[in-house]
Amino acid sequence: AQSVTQLDSQVPVFEEAPVELRCNYSSSVSVYLFWYVQYPNQGLQLLLKYLSGSTLVKGINGFEAEFNKSQTSFHLRKPSVHISDTAEYFCAVSDQDSSASKIIFGSGTRLSIRP
Amino acid sequence: GAGVSQSPRYKVAKRGQDVALRCDPISGHVSLFWYQQALGQGPEFLTYFQNEAQLDKSGLPSDRFFAERPEGSVSTLKIQRTQQEDSAVYLCASSLVGQGTEAFFGQGTRLTVV
Repeated sequence: AQSVTQLDSQVPVFEEAPVELRCNYSSSVSVYLFWYVQYPNQGLQLLLKYLSGSTLVKGINGFEAEFNKSQTSFHLRKPSVHISDTAEYFCAVSDQDSSASKIIFGSGTRLSIRP
Repeated sequence: GAGVSQSPRYKVAKRGQDVALRCDPISGHVSLFWYQQALGQGPEFLTYFQNEAQLDKSGLPSDRFFAERPEGSVSTLKIQRTQQEDSAVYLCASSLVGQGTEAFFGQGTRLTVV
């Protein structure tokens, strides 16, 4: 079974500052990794995903994440945040070995941007 | 349709009442998922359909929860004899079949049991 740990429930940062949202996962099999964003009163939207290949993945809105297999991490980064990035961010994992695989989510990190 | 549509957006139910939540997936999407998201938490998996077949219902919290997708398109999540702990946002997602494909989420139904 897989699990996802998001170490920070809230991350406050100033506008135009860099940010890193941490994510660690646990799994006995190979996994796919995802970051989803949830803006207030909206559904979840995919930011980026890692399936295979390059460990540095670039997503929408200037976000990127790096897959580190030895540390079982998939941290999300952005070099300069904007007020519009205020949202809840969820790291997620699914099992590569199953053809009918559910996505397991972390508990989320609330990113708040201060002007 | 353009996206995953869920209805109603908000539902208030008295304790003990039965409710039915509807999900219209993106046309052509084979896979359909239901999740439960409690306040301040991440989405928790409930059940998964591939076409009309319910392949995984391991996340349904009790036998009061029932989901169906009889024609492989629209799905309904039914909760019988609702209890206060059922209060949450219920999210539906759909995707093309295949490993690692993107799941598209609806805006959810916020259920409040009073």
